[in-house]
Amino acid sequence: QQQVKQSPQSLIVQKGGISIINCAYENTAFDYFPWYQQFPGKGPALLIAIRPDVSEKKEGRFTISFNKSAKQFSLHIMDSQPGDSATYFCAACYQTGANNLFFGTGTRLTVIP
Amino acid sequence: GAGVSQSPSNKVTEKGKDVELRCDPISGHTALYWYRQRLGQGLEFLIYFQGNSAPDKSGLPSDRFSAERTGESVSTLTIQRTQQEDSAVYLCASSLGFLTSNQPQHFGDGTRLSIL
Repeated sequence: QQQVKQSPQSLIVQKGGISIINCAYENTAFDYFPWYQQFPGKGPALLIAIRPDVSEKKEGRFTISFNKSAKQFSLHIMDSQPGDSATYFCAACYQTGANNLFFGTGTRLTVIP
Repeated sequence: GAGVSQSPSNKVTEKGKDVELRCDPISGHTALYWYRQRLGQGLEFLIYFQGNSAPDKSGLPSDRFSAERTGESVSTLTIQRTQQEDSAVYLCASSLGFLTSNQPQHFGDGTRLSIL
């Protein structure tokens, strides 16, 4: 059973546009929600993360929006650039005694110049 | 380097052979994780080591898979009698301790395993 559901599977955005990737979860015990960026041939790299005590976190052009009641969170990439083209994974875990992350299935983002 | 190092980066082997994958975590990181990433899919948790505690093997898909870690250093993932469905990228990650927002996972670049 997929603990974290991610959509869309792929996304094409014009340069300068906003990329939006959505994730949903069921387990209300999750309390840490990171996003990872993965380039071809490389391992995932932590991009930004949020805890459920805040509704939004922004780092540069990347923003996580978190809706605790709906059990949803999303990644927004503002002013998308061709260099942002990568696969993005959302994830969730329990912080206390956490032993692994539950990953979404990934979104392949292509930013067209 | 200071990152998680995995070797080999690529491995091609015949069905039925055993393979051993290696992971060197970041120095000082007590937690180490193995994941499997099939083509176009997300990461599938395999096993977790935390210090000297018993590893969490709950993600291992079959008894053909095993992993060892000596103390807080190198880990090896062994797949015996490989099958074609074992073809995937095997990723290793480490973290300072229990996974928290202040102690995120750092991933290696993976070993791409291809079973002929």
